[in-house]
Amino acid sequence: GQNIDQPTEMTATEGAIVQINCTYQTSGFNGLFWYQQHAGEAPTFLSYNVLDGLEEKGRFSSFLSRSKGYSYLLLKELQMKDSASYLCAVMDSNYQLIWGAGTKLIIKP
Amino acid sequence: ETGVTQTPRHLVMGMTNKKSLKCEQHLGHNAMYWYKQSAKKPLELMFVYSLEERVENNSVPSRFSPECPNSSHLFLHLHTLQPEDSALYLCASSQGIAGGPETQYFGPGTRLLVL
Repeated sequence: GQNIDQPTEMTATEGAIVQINCTYQTSGFNGLFWYQQHAGEAPTFLSYNVLDGLEEKGRFSSFLSRSKGYSYLLLKELQMKDSASYLCAVMDSNYQLIWGAGTKLIIKP
Repeated sequence: ETGVTQTPRHLVMGMTNKKSLKCEQHLGHNAMYWYKQSAKKPLELMFVYSLEERVENNSVPSRFSPECPNSSHLFLHLHTLQPEDSALYLCASSQGIAGGPETQYFGPGTRLLVL
């Protein structure tokens, strides 16, 4: 079956760096997405990786290794507003998104 | 209005009620989606529409009935729901024909409670 694994919850300190991991097993691969979802709000698109390597976008970076079925989202210079859930999703061979359950990130002062 | 909007934001209904959720996208997209989001579970895809035609129905119970009158509007009609249907219902849209590697843009969701 298809499966996306990510930690349920993480805690980090304001100003620090945090890495949220995502591993996947899917039937085919057409890219991996990261979304941010604040409580009670819409998931918002953060990044899309389809080739191996690191994509940097401001304080956020996303890494992909297709051979390992692995991705991470790196958040630098953490701010209180980064407290949210981070959703990993993989697009399979049918172009259907397979979603992880999300990682709730708690930022402490 | 910009992006994807959903109404109502919150809904409480009894198991014998009939209600409808509405979604509207202002992005000029051609594909629209309904998802169910339950606490600590992955998003579950319910329905996909591309150019107003349903292309995906992931074995959703018939008590959920979608309607897509045009490429900007999507409805989810609800009847005789069960308490386990309580969840956040998210609408999303994407640019082209559903089936390509496209980014989906989400609305804020309708928080549904079935009593």
